[in-house]
Amino acid sequence: GAVVSQHPSRVICKSGTSVKIECRSLDFQATTMFWYRQFPKQSLMLMATSNEGSKATYEQGVEKDKFLINHASLTLSTLTVTSAHPEDSSFYICSASDSSGISYNEQFFGPGTRLTVL
Amino acid sequence: SQQGEEDPQALSIQEGENATMNCSYKTSINNLQWYRQNSGRGLVHLILIRSNEREKHSGRLRVTLDTSKKSSSLLITASRAADTASYFCATGGMDTGRRALTFGSGTRLQVQP
Repeated sequence: GAVVSQHPSRVICKSGTSVKIECRSLDFQATTMFWYRQFPKQSLMLMATSNEGSKATYEQGVEKDKFLINHASLTLSTLTVTSAHPEDSSFYICSASDSSGISYNEQFFGPGTRLTVL
Repeated sequence: SQQGEEDPQALSIQEGENATMNCSYKTSINNLQWYRQNSGRGLVHLILIRSNEREKHSGRLRVTLDTSKKSSSLLITASRAADTASYFCATGGMDTGRRALTFGSGTRLQVQP
């Protein structure tokens, strides 16, 4: 099956710093990638949808200037948490879909990145 | 925003018993999927059921879908300790321009050995 990787798997940073998380599709071309956030014992909440070569579409309440998303190639999307604060501590999960997923929303999920902001 | 609710929120059973989880959603859907998530890990896709299907099986998993009631259930038969995880339903909308999944609140399943 299709594989999606995330890097890093875990990051601890100081408040005020920026953190970049990478999401890669390893064996297929991901025309669309999604970024989700999951707080402890809660469900996944969609943050943004990114299409290769265009600007990301952010969900209501998600600050686009704080969560910068770049989808520069068909295999890589990055999420940068700028000026991170403790409340940004969360589990960030990406998923990827190729064009064949249009009809049935098939997505392949990365293993997630645990961000802890001190 | 979350599509709907799952119940129960938490379920504890003995190994060998069956586990049933329910999911309700709010809008029309193209399909409904179930995922498993072990603590602190990524999602594992379990099964997808399309809106024109009523029941689907995969190994020890049985999924039903009732679009008139906007609900689905996941049955795990003969549970094992390794089935301990959180289970989420996720719906794919009718709008092909929006392919993101909307997740339910999840059920935390604990299977006691």
